[in-house]
Amino acid sequence: DIQMTQSPSSVSASVGDRVSITCRASQFINNFLNWYQQKPGKAPELLIYAASTLQTGVPSRFSGSGSGTDFTLTISSLQPEDFATYHCQQSHSTQFTFGPGTIVDSK
Amino acid sequence: EVQLVESGGGLVKPGGSLRLSCAASGFTFTNAWMSWVRQAPGKGLEWVGRIKSKTDGGTTDYAALVKGRFSISRDDSKNTLYLQVNSLKTEDTAVYFCTTDRIKALVLGYYYYMEVWGQGTTVTVSS
Repeated sequence: DIQMTQSPSSVSASVGDRVSITCRASQFINNFLNWYQQKPGKAPELLIYAASTLQTGVPSRFSGSGSGTDFTLTISSLQPEDFATYHCQQSHSTQFTFGPGTIVDSK
Repeated sequence: EVQLVESGGGLVKPGGSLRLSCAASGFTFTNAWMSWVRQAPGKGLEWVGRIKSKTDGGTTDYAALVKGRFSISRDDSKNTLYLQVNSLKTEDTAVYFCTTDRIKALVLGYYYYMEVWGQGTTVTVSS
């Protein structure tokens, strides 16, 4: 299986900050990488697919980049509703796997 | 509006079984590929398996960890997805989500993602 790692595991930030989260795959996955946001007690929601394509309705302050094995999710100016856990997921292999998640909380 | 509502979770003893359901509305269920994803308490997300639409063969794929114990099926006449979970272990304790999956054709290929998620149903395996 393709293993996914994320760093940092958590980040404390303030409203207005620029936040970046890294996701790394254990092998080449081209750009078959998705990002999800999950708020406490809620289901995940799709943010980005194909590494950099924003899902309809997702604010433009979110962006994704990367290809191969290394990927980044960036929030350009953190808003109060963005405090959440972010998960990456590879779809290069049909044994889909997720990263362990990165918690973005308030400093 | 796309809606997915899971049910059927509960407390079960190790070795027991459950059938989880996911009632779908707001989209053409017959054409949908669907997945189950679970999340153990305080842990990350883990893909369990998926089922293709009948027009695409209706076949299933499973994560290695659950293959042989879990079974996904669908009843298109009821717009309902199922997950039969057998021989349950304590480590199967989790919230189980169903998802509608999307395959999007872009320049570099076909991209697969879990587009809409239900609110989840909780399975607790304990003696």
